[in-house]
Amino acid sequence: GAGVSQSPRYKVAKRGQDVALRCDPISGHVSLFWYQQALGQGPEFLTYFQNEAQLDKSGLPSDRFFAERPEGSVSTLKIQRTQQEDSAVYLCASSRKTGSNEKLFFGSGTQLSVL
Amino acid sequence: AQTVTQSQPEMSVQEAETVTLSCTYDTSESDYYLFWYKQPPSRQMILVIRQEAYKQQNATENRFSVNFQKAAKSFSLKISDSQLGDAAMYFCAYRRPPPNNNDMRFGAGTRLTVKP
Repeated sequence: GAGVSQSPRYKVAKRGQDVALRCDPISGHVSLFWYQQALGQGPEFLTYFQNEAQLDKSGLPSDRFFAERPEGSVSTLKIQRTQQEDSAVYLCASSRKTGSNEKLFFGSGTQLSVL
Repeated sequence: AQTVTQSQPEMSVQEAETVTLSCTYDTSESDYYLFWYKQPPSRQMILVIRQEAYKQQNATENRFSVNFQKAAKSFSLKISDSQLGDAAMYFCAYRRPPPNNNDMRFGAGTRLTVKP
């Protein structure tokens, strides 16, 4: 596609509900990242995929957070039993290769509000 | 751990003037990469400019340039001839070289306002 696409753009969940956030990276991009951006803060790393392999999940804040990219393209970030502290914008980014100097292309994020 | 600090929560500039956004970082690495990203209200982060630490020459992209001071661990962004479309949040970011380079670290951001 032309860019990284994320859906839904907004999600309101009641505390305790499960949510699933979708990311469609740019076609052919090897690397995929998920970030969490709290209000007034910079993005914080959650997890990284190289193709379908989840190589780094060190940033996931708890075992309620789960991400997958089964076919090496679309990725889903799932949050179980949502809590108010999960309220944030969740950003997805992809890059063509794996190098540190690679340009990251970001989506517009999903703003999650947990009531 | 690497940290990135942006000490200016908000900055303001008159249209056509020049503004400099500050960024400092903390690292024990000798080789790394630094970035400035722009985030407009659409929330989509857009790469403005990037710098490899091993390069002494400061990066430049049209009206955007950096002042990279490796010894001082400083990486400021200069925007010349500011335009209304430059108004956004600006984030400074740091990334290690491979293999442990998955987590790009961002500062807290600087909100830039451009006055007509």
